[in-house]
Amino acid sequence: QVQLVESGGGVVPPGGSLTLSCVASGFSFSNYGMDWVRQAPGKGLEWVSFVRYDGSNKQYADSVKGRFTISRDNSKNTLSLQMSSLRAEDTAVYYCAQDRSNIFDNWGQGTLVTVSS
Amino acid sequence: EIVLTQSPATLSLSPGERATLSCRASQSISSYLAWYQQKPGQAPRLLIYDASNRATGIPARFSGSGSGTDFTLTISSLEPEDFAVYYCQQRNNWPITFGQGTRLEIK
Repeated sequence: QVQLVESGGGVVPPGGSLTLSCVASGFSFSNYGMDWVRQAPGKGLEWVSFVRYDGSNKQYADSVKGRFTISRDNSKNTLSLQMSSLRAEDTAVYYCAQDRSNIFDNWGQGTLVTVSS
Repeated sequence: EIVLTQSPATLSLSPGERATLSCRASQSISSYLAWYQQKPGQAPRLLIYDASNRATGIPARFSGSGSGTDFTLTISSLEPEDFAVYYCQQRNNWPITFGQGTRLEIK
């Protein structure tokens, strides 16, 4: 079965950096686009970023453009999100999701990022 | 950016009743709308995609309808495990956007 396991969350001061990872198994990772979606505490879902199956196309929400970078390593079945210039409003649970034409078929359990001094 | 507005914000019903949740888009999104269910402490789960197609393993009591700007998720007879938050999501345009959610609570 599909498994997506995120890691890398933690507490970081404003202006700091953090890199999240998502290891995929149970499907052919290199055939699927992947996304990051976040959820601030007690709030709704916000799409963050997308990467095409081969890494050739990347999309970002305006709220993170220029600060976050999505990447993937198909040889390691791993999706990453490099986050820099972090702000308090970036505090959220970050989910990775398997993307089928921008439909989120499967989700990881999420990793919590807290931006606080 | 396409804005999705869900109504009502909260819906209070009893098990066995019929639930009707609405999602309205700020411009036409054809049928490119999905519905997700999220329970406390869990990741969202895909229920419906492209307005009316049930995802794998989703019970038949869940159905979706609509096109253009107005969409509906219907749960024909509520089971105890259906009480959760429901989100709609559009994939017609970048950026992908979600509605703010409808909380379905036990009356």
